[in-house]
Amino acid sequence: SQKIEQNSEALNIQEGKTATLTCNYTNYSPAYLQWYRQDPGRGPVFLLLIRENEKEKRKERLKVTFDTTLKQSLFHITASQPADSATYLCALRRSGATNKLIFGTGTLLAVQP
Amino acid sequence: DTEVTQTPKHLVMGMTNKKSLKCEQHMGHRAMYWYKQKAKKPPELMFVYSYEKLSINESVPSRFSPECPNSSLLNLHLHALQPEDSALYLCASSPSDRGENTEAFFGQGTRLTVV
Repeated sequence: SQKIEQNSEALNIQEGKTATLTCNYTNYSPAYLQWYRQDPGRGPVFLLLIRENEKEKRKERLKVTFDTTLKQSLFHITASQPADSATYLCALRRSGATNKLIFGTGTLLAVQP
Repeated sequence: DTEVTQTPKHLVMGMTNKKSLKCEQHMGHRAMYWYKQKAKKPPELMFVYSYEKLSINESVPSRFSPECPNSSLLNLHLHALQPEDSALYLCASSPSDRGENTEAFFGQGTRLTVV
C-alpha cells in the first residue's frame, strides 16, 4: 500500500537552531512534493513545492530537498523561531492524469525560546 | 482575494439531521477539494472537483454528497451522519488540477460534531 511517513510525531528544538523534518514515501512516483504548515484549528498553508527533477528549493529560511532514489524529502528551517512552532505536512501529487494531493502523517515542531 | 471561505465554522448536528457545508473561492481556481481531518491526523482526501465536474470520490459513504454549483462554490451535503464522522472538514482549491499550478489553498475548516 502507499505510505507517506514523516519523522516522529513531535520535534523539539531550541530557538536559533536548524529544524530538519523528514518525509519518506513508498509505492509512489510523485511528480511534485509539497510542504504545508498547519496551526491548531486552522487549514494547512502552502509553503514550498519541489519537482521530481529538482534536488533543492529555497525560500527565505526554508529549504527543501527531494531525493527520488531514497524516496525522501527533507525540510529545513534555519534560525528557527518560536513562531515556527506548528505541524508541518508533506504532500505528494502523482504525475499523470490524477490530481490527488495526499498528505503525510505530519510532524509537530516546537521551538523553545 | 486569496482566500477560501468556509461556512459555518462550527456545526453540531444530530444523526437524523440534514445539513450542508459551504465553500467559496474567488481566485479563479478550477480544482476544488473536500478533505476530512481527525485530531492529530493528516487531512484525508474525500472528493475532487475539476472544472465543476466530480473527478475523484475516495470511496466516501453516500451520507456525504458533494455539489459544485459553479466554479466558485463547493458544497458538502450531510445526511444521517454517525458520531465517528465528527471531524474538521476542510475545503481547498488549486489553480489547476494537474501540472505545476497545483498548490492547494485551504479554508479554515468547519468543525463538525455529530451527536
